[in-house]
Parts: sequence; C-alpha cells; structure tokens
Amino acid sequence: EAGVTQSPTHLIKTRGQQATLRCSPISGHTSVYWYQQALGLGLQFLLWYDEGEERNRGNFPPRFSGRQFPNYSSELNVNALELEDSALYLCASSKTGESEKLFFGSGTQLSVL
Amino acid sequence: DAKTTQPTSMDCAEGRAANLPCNHSTISGNEYVYWYRQIHSQGPQYIIHGLKNNETNEMASLIITEDRKSSTLILPHATLRDTAVYYCIVRVAFKAGANNLFFGTGTRLTVIP
Repeated sequence: EAGVTQSPTHLIKTRGQQATLRCSPISGHTSVYWYQQALGLGLQFLLWYDEGEERNRGNFPPRFSGRQFPNYSSELNVNALELEDSALYLCASSKTGESEKLFFGSGTQLSVL
Repeated sequence: DAKTTQPTSMDCAEGRAANLPCNHSTISGNEYVYWYRQIHSQGPQYIIHGLKNNETNEMASLIITEDRKSSTLILPHATLRDTAVYYCIVRVAFKAGANNLFFGTGTRLTVIP
C-alpha cells in the first residue's frame, strides 16, 4: 500500500512568488492535514480538509490556502511568499474519525530566496 | 488541549531501554496521550496512544500514571534507528471542529552505540 506522497520534494522560489504544494493521501483516507515545520522548530498546524471541505485552520495568514479534490488529494498554496515561509511542509492523512493516527508524507522543502 | 512538557534531549545506550517522560498536569478526563516520532528528514510516525491504562504495541509501551498527570514512553531495546525527535501530545479524540494534533518541540533522543 502506497503511503502519503508529496510533490515536489524541494521547491525554490523568490520572495513575492506563489508556491503550490501537492499531496496524495493513502487510499481510503478522506482527511488531509497540512503542517509547517520551520528549521529547528516543532510542527505548526496549518489546515485540515475532510470530504472536500476545509474543517479547520491554524494561526496562519490568508495567503496560506488550499483545497481538497474529489479524489481526496490536496493542494497547499502560499501566495506572496516571504522569507520566513521557508520550511518543511508536511502533509498527513487519516480516515475520518480516526484522527489519532496520522500518516505523514516526507514533506516538501520550500526555500524562499 | 492540555499542554505537555518534555525534556529537550536525552541519550540512551544501544540495546538499553529508552524511557521518555512527558508531563501533562492539566490533562482532562477525556484527553488521550499520543506519541509520535520524527526521524531526520522524514514525516512524523505514529507510535502509540492511550487514555488511562498502560498500552503496548510492537513499537513501544506507554505507561500513564494513576493521576494521569504524566506518562512515559518506553522503547524496550533502543537501536540506532530509534534516534529521532519524540513528541508527546495530549488531546481529545475526535474533537469536533479541531480534528488535528498539535505538536510541540519534543524530545530529541540520541541512541549511542
């Protein structure tokens, strides 16, 4: 069974540009979560999608947005990139109602120059 | 969700038991204790969770004190591959409107040959 897959593995952008990160959950999982992990820091919750709807978001500005597609895959969009957006962005998936077991991908390393 | 306190770092000799403590003195009666770990350059991995009884699985054991204000994750025979950051998280399972896990900075466990 394939795990959570994220693409691209690495992404380099310049300040002010937009970044799009993609995530494919484990087959059968309907919930997708996005986390940001800046260097040396813990994971910060960004967004939670379930059944195509945004269910919750963390304390991030509106330029962080995303969506979930009918096949449950998800995109995270970051507009007007700032230097401090440089971080590892992790996607996780779970079955609805089993949120205690999140399965994470290996992440997208975003570097903003 | 209750706040957790973990030591910043710990060392353990290879083959010995690694005991990772976590304090959660403000835990509520319906909050579970979850443990995840993050090996360098990978996404976090679910280890175990429990409510008030001790739990054991193929990866680890979770010991929760009777007053539930602290817990210990035990890796019975640590190997070099167990070197990782271990996160202790306390939250209500299936909490409506907040179906996500908040990670702190965790304990960096180094297994020494």
